[in-house]
Amino acid sequence: EAGVVQSPRYKIIEKKQPVAFWCNPISGHNTLYWYRQNLGQGPELLIRYENEEAVDDSQLPKDRFSAERLKGVDSTLKIQPAELGDSAVYLCASSMTSGDYNEQFFGPGTRLTVL
Amino acid sequence: QKEVEQDPGPLSVPEGAIVSLNCTYSNSAFQYFMWYRQYSRKGPELLMYTYSSGNKEDGRFTAQVDKSSKYISLFIRDSQPSDSATYLCAMKDTSGTYKYIFGTGTRLKVLA
Repeated sequence: EAGVVQSPRYKIIEKKQPVAFWCNPISGHNTLYWYRQNLGQGPELLIRYENEEAVDDSQLPKDRFSAERLKGVDSTLKIQPAELGDSAVYLCASSMTSGDYNEQFFGPGTRLTVL
Repeated sequence: QKEVEQDPGPLSVPEGAIVSLNCTYSNSAFQYFMWYRQYSRKGPELLMYTYSSGNKEDGRFTAQVDKSSKYISLFIRDSQPSDSATYLCAMKDTSGTYKYIFGTGTRLKVLA
């Protein structure tokens, strides 16, 4: 069974440029999460989707970040414009539901460097 | 003060040693306690999870939760160079929220 797929794996851009990350969750997983992991830190949740609906985007910096999950499967996270402080690893995770406990499976992440 | 505290290390041990990794937390509502392993340039993968207090064993790994002290531990017996990774603790309450709170991770190096 394929795991969570993310692309690109690495991205280097100049500040003020836009960037987008793509995630394909595990088949059958209704819940999708985007996390940001800064160097030497644990992941921090940005947004959670239940199917197509963003049910919690309270941690998403909405002035420059946006996300979508069309058809309740793949998802895209966008930053426009990128700032130096956005350099981090962006992790996508999925789970079957977001009930009391459901294991979250993580993708390999996209490492973003903003110059 | 962070909700979850974890010593970032690095922790270096010889092969075969018993490794102890720990996290402390402040939120008494946490009921689910997870340990993730993250290899360099990879995403976290779940090693073990425990609900409420007690111990859980899986092969060379043992997870312990002491809710009275708000302290959790992961023990690795007979450590191997392949165990070299960052170990992240994560916690969640049962209020209906799905949100995991992660520690900063401890970098472990097992020397051959």
